[in-house]
Amino acid sequence: DAGVIQSPRHEVTEMGQEVTLRCKPISGHNSLFWYRQTMMRGLELLIYFNNNVPIDDSGMPEDRFSAKMPNASFSTLKIQPSEPRDSAVYFCASSRGSVRGGYEQYFGPGTRLTVT
Amino acid sequence: AQTVTQSQPEMSVQEAETVTLSCTYDTSESNYYLFWYKQPPSRQMILVIRQEAYKQQNATENRFSVNFQKAAKSFSLKISDSQLGDTAMYFCASDLQIQGAQKLVFGQGTRLTINP
Repeated sequence: DAGVIQSPRHEVTEMGQEVTLRCKPISGHNSLFWYRQTMMRGLELLIYFNNNVPIDDSGMPEDRFSAKMPNASFSTLKIQPSEPRDSAVYFCASSRGSVRGGYEQYFGPGTRLTVT
Repeated sequence: AQTVTQSQPEMSVQEAETVTLSCTYDTSESNYYLFWYKQPPSRQMILVIRQEAYKQQNATENRFSVNFQKAAKSFSLKISDSQLGDTAMYFCASDLQIQGAQKLVFGQGTRLTINP
C-alpha cells in the first residue's frame, strides 16, 4: 500500500500566485481531509469530503481557498491568490469511513508551502 | 465549546524511563473517540492509539497505554520503556461536534524528547 500521496512536497511561490496542492488517497478509502498546520494555530481541518462530496468546509479560511475531489482517487486544494500568511504545512488524510465512526485517518507526508 | 487541551508543551525523559502525556477534552456527547497521534521529525502523522468512550477498559498497544477517565474528561498517554525513536510531537485528538459538523479536533501537541 503506497499510503496517501501528496505533491509537491515543497512549494515556494510569490505572493499573488496561484498554488495547487494535490492528493491521492489510499484506495478504498471514502473520506478525505485537508488540514493545515502552523506553529500559531496548530493542526486545523480545512475541508472534509465523504464519497467525493464536500461535507464540511467551515475551516476554509476564505474565498481564496478552494478544494475539489473530482473522483475517489484525486483531490486538489487551490489557493488563489496566495498570501504570505498562507505559509504552512498542508496535510491530506484519508480514512475508510466517516469521522463519526472513529476510523483512523492516514496522513500524507504533507506539502510545505512558503509564500514570499 | 468543545475543545482538546494539552497542557504540556514540552517534555524530556531519559531512554527506558516511563513518561505520561496529559490531555483533557470537553464534549457534551456520550459516545466519541479519542486518539493519540505521533508526528516525528519526518513530519508524517501516525496513529499511536485509539479509545472509544463507551469502552471502560483502557486501550493498550505494546509500550503505549492510555488512562481514560471519562468523568474527568481526561485521556493521558503512557509510554513505557521509552526509546529514542519515540522522540516526536504527540497530539491528542477527539471527534467533536463543532458548529454542527463532526470533525477530528487536535490539541496543540506535546514535544517529547527521549535522551540517550
